[in-house]
Amino acid sequence: GAGVSQSPSNKVTEKGKDVELRCDPISGHTALYWYRQSLGQGLEFLIYFQGNSAPDKSGLPSDRFSAERTGGSVSTLTIQRTQQEDSAVYLCASSSRIIGPGEQYFGPGTRLTVT
Amino acid sequence: AQKVTQAQTEISVVEKEDVTLDCVYETRDTTYYLFWYKQPPSGELVFLIRRNSFDEQNEISGRYSWNFQKSTSSFNFTITASQVVDSAVYFCALSEALGNDMRFGAGTRLTVKP
Repeated sequence: GAGVSQSPSNKVTEKGKDVELRCDPISGHTALYWYRQSLGQGLEFLIYFQGNSAPDKSGLPSDRFSAERTGGSVSTLTIQRTQQEDSAVYLCASSSRIIGPGEQYFGPGTRLTVT
Repeated sequence: AQKVTQAQTEISVVEKEDVTLDCVYETRDTTYYLFWYKQPPSGELVFLIRRNSFDEQNEISGRYSWNFQKSTSSFNFTITASQVVDSAVYFCALSEALGNDMRFGAGTRLTVKP
């Protein structure tokens, strides 16, 4: 079956512009995660959605970052007034969380470059 | 607070050598889950294993094996008879049972030379 897809695969934007990154999770997966991976670094948790529950936004680095998930499926991560330090690969993952954290299936990521 | 440490930043071995990737974790929870993921040069993370804190049995899957020791808070990963295709960045991760986030280590870059 189809895996997690993300678009665009690459995005170059000017400092100060807003960007939207999209994630299509695996069909039927109720949990969706966003992470940020800076060059040569590990993954930094950003936000978590589970079904219709309120999202866990504890990892968002500033109020310029927001995310939504429509209809319990597709998610959009929005970064407003982008800064150069926002440059990173943004990864989305989905999971069929049953008992405890399930394995997460990752998308290919969106490489964001802020010039 | 949860934390994962992968002290080895880079490891280079020659094909057919065995290699062990270290992972040490910290958590206050008694129930938690540990994971290993592989990130090949293509970039997409691939799930390898999930282990819960109540199951300390070692696991073997082909050339891969994992050693979970709660006494030392370690969850090490060994590749036997390494191959060039094993070259990747490997991440260890921890998730507390009631938590939503997964805390990743910084990763270990493994290079297997022919």
